[in-house]
Amino acid sequence: AAGVIQSPRHLIKEKRETATLKCYPIPRHDTVYWYQQGPGQDPQFLISFYEKMQSDKGSIPDRFSAQQFSDYHSELNMSSLELGDSALYFCASSLEGQGFNSPLHFGNGTRLTVT
Amino acid sequence: AQKITQTQPGMFVQEKEAVTLDCTYDTSDPSYGLFWYKQPSSGEMIFLIYQGSYDQQNATEGRYSLNFQKARKSANLVISASQLGDSAMYFCAMRASGATNKLIFGTGTLLAVQP
Repeated sequence: AAGVIQSPRHLIKEKRETATLKCYPIPRHDTVYWYQQGPGQDPQFLISFYEKMQSDKGSIPDRFSAQQFSDYHSELNMSSLELGDSALYFCASSLEGQGFNSPLHFGNGTRLTVT
Repeated sequence: AQKITQTQPGMFVQEKEAVTLDCTYDTSDPSYGLFWYKQPSSGEMIFLIYQGSYDQQNATEGRYSLNFQKARKSANLVISASQLGDSAMYFCAMRASGATNKLIFGTGTLLAVQP
């Protein structure tokens, strides 16, 4: 079965640079979520999109922005990168019509290292 | 507010034995879903099992079962016949039926299966 595709798998950036992470949800899934997982921590919710509209916002810095495109893929844009942004970034998708019963399916993540 | 608590930072189990990973939750929402995810050292987040708040029976998926005690607000994961490949971080997570359907995670339990 098709899974959530994230690219790139690894990314190394310097401080103050920008980064763009891409996510392709499972076909027919209408909701995309972004999570940030720091070393030794649990994933923290950043932002979500339902049918290309932002549906919820968590602890996402103002330096970050995201959007969902007409083909349902999503991109997380990160600017003025800081050392503390080094983390594993997950994208997940779900079928919102199933509501809270539906699990989130996660991609393999993008490991961002800021030097 | 919703909260997931996992009180066991780490657990050891002998191969072929069963192990229980604890999870308690707190929510004022009557409708919610409880999920367990496995995160191996390679980093991906793998969905294991789901329990709905209205489900009368405990969920089972192969060697995984969920011991759901609604009155105690607990949703413990039981892994039977542990295998070396079960060594990983395990996260308990919850979605509620409120305005936002994001998944919130506990802090995780690191399971080590010993030969």
